[in-house]
Amino acid sequence: IAGITQAPTSQILAAGRRMTLRCTQDMRHNAMYWYRQDLGLGLRLIHYSNTAGTTGKGEVPDGYSVSRANTDDFPLTLASAVPSQTSVYFCASSGWGSYNEQFFGPGTRLTVL
Amino acid sequence: LAKTTQPISMDSYEGQEVNITCSHNNIATNDYITWYQQFPSQGPRFIIQGYKTKVTNEVASLFIPADRKSSTLSLPRVSLSDTAVYYCLVGDMGNQGGKLIFGQGTELSVKP
Repeated sequence: IAGITQAPTSQILAAGRRMTLRCTQDMRHNAMYWYRQDLGLGLRLIHYSNTAGTTGKGEVPDGYSVSRANTDDFPLTLASAVPSQTSVYFCASSGWGSYNEQFFGPGTRLTVL
Repeated sequence: LAKTTQPISMDSYEGQEVNITCSHNNIATNDYITWYQQFPSQGPRFIIQGYKTKVTNEVASLFIPADRKSSTLSLPRVSLSDTAVYYCLVGDMGNQGGKLIFGQGTELSVKP
């Protein structure tokens, strides 16, 4: 593994189903993030984690939950998917401190029907 | 929160210099300004970051005036491969991971 990987690449999901998007990084970065990207709205932060064991809410956290059991993994869970959660989801990571750039994964395209 | 505003789209021709300006009137003392580039079906990629004055790297320059209420990304001599969406990001990733705000993005189209 090099950088950030996300799984699945894409998924079609029935409304009401539970879904977990996976994100793994091998750069030993402290901070990790989940964004959603919708046409015309740019990137919006869902949840973040500054270090393993801690998480925080971003701009649009409702309907999503995250956990950070270790440094490398940061899964995003939709407990009961709704059509408005149809989006492209990007995971990112960065080192600690203001100088550190964010490295993004390739994204997961999720469609909720 | 330092909300950002960028032009929605810009057009240019190969070989020209392109300047994209981002407004961030409520920028905080500890905030840095970062620009990202995104191609279709890919995640954003870091271009440049700065705090004040001018920063230059091998692909771009970033100009930040003294009041830091705006910033300008300058791409010298663009090519067709620079066609992408460019995002301005303002925030302090050191202490406020949840306060990162991306702009709407500027869709740059470079024509032959």
